[in-house]
This record gives sequence, C-alpha cells and structure tokens, in this order.
Amino acid sequence: TQLLEQSPQFLSIQEGENLTVYCNSSSVFSSLQWYRQEPGEGPVLLVTVVTGGEVKKLKRLTFQFGDARKDSSLHITAAQPGDTGLYLCAIQGAQKLVFGQGTRLTINP
Amino acid sequence: SQTIHQWPATLVQPVGSPLSLECTVEGTSNPNLYWYRQAAGRGLQLLFYSVGIGQISSEVPQNLSASRPQDRQFILSSKKLLLSDSGFYLCAWSEWGITPFFGQGTRLTVV
Repeated sequence: TQLLEQSPQFLSIQEGENLTVYCNSSSVFSSLQWYRQEPGEGPVLLVTVVTGGEVKKLKRLTFQFGDARKDSSLHITAAQPGDTGLYLCAIQGAQKLVFGQGTRLTINP
Repeated sequence: SQTIHQWPATLVQPVGSPLSLECTVEGTSNPNLYWYRQAAGRGLQLLFYSVGIGQISSEVPQNLSASRPQDRQFILSSKKLLLSDSGFYLCAWSEWGITPFFGQGTRLTVV
C-alpha cells in the first residue's frame, strides 16, 4: 500500500477552469512537500507545508495542510496550459523522501 | 550555490549489458544522496540513499546497485540490464532539514 495516496491520478480540464488535487495518508507528518514535474525533467519543489491548517499561496496555486497533518490539497485557480505537468506530493521520513504516485494534469487551450 | 549534475540524459542499452549512471553535486559537503526511478507519468520510487561515503541503503531488492566513492559522487550500476530496468532515473541531494533537489534525470531504455 502507498504511504501517500494522490487523487485523481489523471485530470484534464479546459483553460480558465479551477481544480483541486489531493494527497492523503493515514499517517501524521511533520511536513509535506508539493513538486511539479515536466516530461523529461526532474521534479521542482513548489512548496513545503509544516503547520496543521496552514495555507500557502503561490500566485494562482493554493496549498493547504490538513489540521491533523495527514492530508494536503493543491487548488489551482484559472488554470493555464503552462500548469500542465505531473504534481507530486512527498513527505520526508528519516533520511529519505517518499512520494505519492502523482496527479497528471493537462490543461487544454 | 549548489548544483547537481546527472549524466547521460538518455541511454539505450541492450539486455544483458552493464550500466553506470553518475551523479555529482557541487557547492555542499556531506550531502544526503538519492537514486529514484520513475515509471512513465507516475511517482518516484526510492532505490538507494546514502548519508556518507561508502554508506548505501537499499530500499528495494533489484538488479541494481549503488556506490558512493567520493563525498559528492553517487553512482548507479548494474552488471546485466533487464528489460524491466527501463525507466527515468533521478538523482537527488539534500542536507538535513532541507528538501531534496533533483537532477535532470536519465532516460534509460533497455532493448
């Protein structure tokens, strides 16, 4: 079983729409990271959330860490084709980073 | 500033051939180093990590091995590649308490 479950696995929407993707676990984490990865490249860190209930905004992206620090969401407002990519959540255990399976997001012009 | 270099970017190898992928980090000392493999469009599976020279931890049994001959050098190897070894391999580095940073990846195709 996956330590981190991401949903949906695939999402294809039209430019201008809003969307939310989720990262869930049965475990409590001290922090959680969100990455975006484009084809043929390594993941790039978007944000780290640390405090339960924390909300961080990065332009049109809003990240939330659940109150119980067991889940997180990423909301994108007015999606643009440049938002297309694989969105990965990850948690840092002892000495290593563990990833979810990712959400493949496609924004159609 | 710190940088990570990973090469080659793409590689096509026949089944049964050996493999050596190299990763080096600049601008830091005694980093944690990682090798991940990624299936097409999916999440990253941790293969190996190292907290110091000669210290390798393996996460999953497989046809691959890793070595850290120098502080900022991490090598992924195989004596005989299998078709199932095909994938996108990513090297990453981190320091304690700092989120890892990734190299650009190596696309390995075993034919």
